[in-house]
Amino acid sequence: GQNIDQPTEMTATEGAIVQINCTYQTSGFNGLFWYQQHAGEAPTFLSYNVLDGLEEKGRFSSFLSRSKGYSYLLLKELQMKDSASYLCAVLDSNYQLIWGAGTKLIIKP
Amino acid sequence: GAVVSQHPSWVICKSGTSVKIECRSLDFQATTMFWYRQFPKQSLMLMATSNEGSKATYEQGVEKDKFLINHASLTLSTLTVTSAHPEDSSFYICSGRGQGITEAFFGQGTRLTVV
Repeated sequence: GQNIDQPTEMTATEGAIVQINCTYQTSGFNGLFWYQQHAGEAPTFLSYNVLDGLEEKGRFSSFLSRSKGYSYLLLKELQMKDSASYLCAVLDSNYQLIWGAGTKLIIKP
Repeated sequence: GAVVSQHPSWVICKSGTSVKIECRSLDFQATTMFWYRQFPKQSLMLMATSNEGSKATYEQGVEKDKFLINHASLTLSTLTVTSAHPEDSSFYICSGRGQGITEAFFGQGTRLTVV
């Protein structure tokens, strides 16, 4: 079967750094997405990785290791507005998005 | 990124009535539209995938006669919840993808409450 695992919930302090991990087992791989979703809103795109390595985009970075079936989203200089759920999703061999359950990130002052 | 406009943002309807949700791709041609449902504190659940001009492919456990999907044009797809029941209350989100593009763009979502 296809499986995406990520922690259910994480807590971090404003101004700090947090890393949200995602491991996957899918039938084929055509890239991995990270989305941010605030409560009651649709997900918004953060990053897309299809090659191994680190992609940096402002305060957010995403890393991928295809051999390990592993990715992480790194958030630096955390702000209160970063409190949200972060969804990991993999595009499988049929170009279908397989979604993780999401990680709820709580930022404390 | 590209824009998918979804309406309405929220709707309250009586049990037994039907509700139509529209998704329009404003600046790209959405050859494929995905319809998701999300219950509180849960991840997105794919309901169906539709390609423009073709019948939608429904996920296991999703009633095709209850959730009618139309994708007659490259810029418009609709989901109609027929004979709605309180258990259909959920957050419905569409996502459109263009030909040869891997990223899918989300609509704003529709909060459906059936009373």
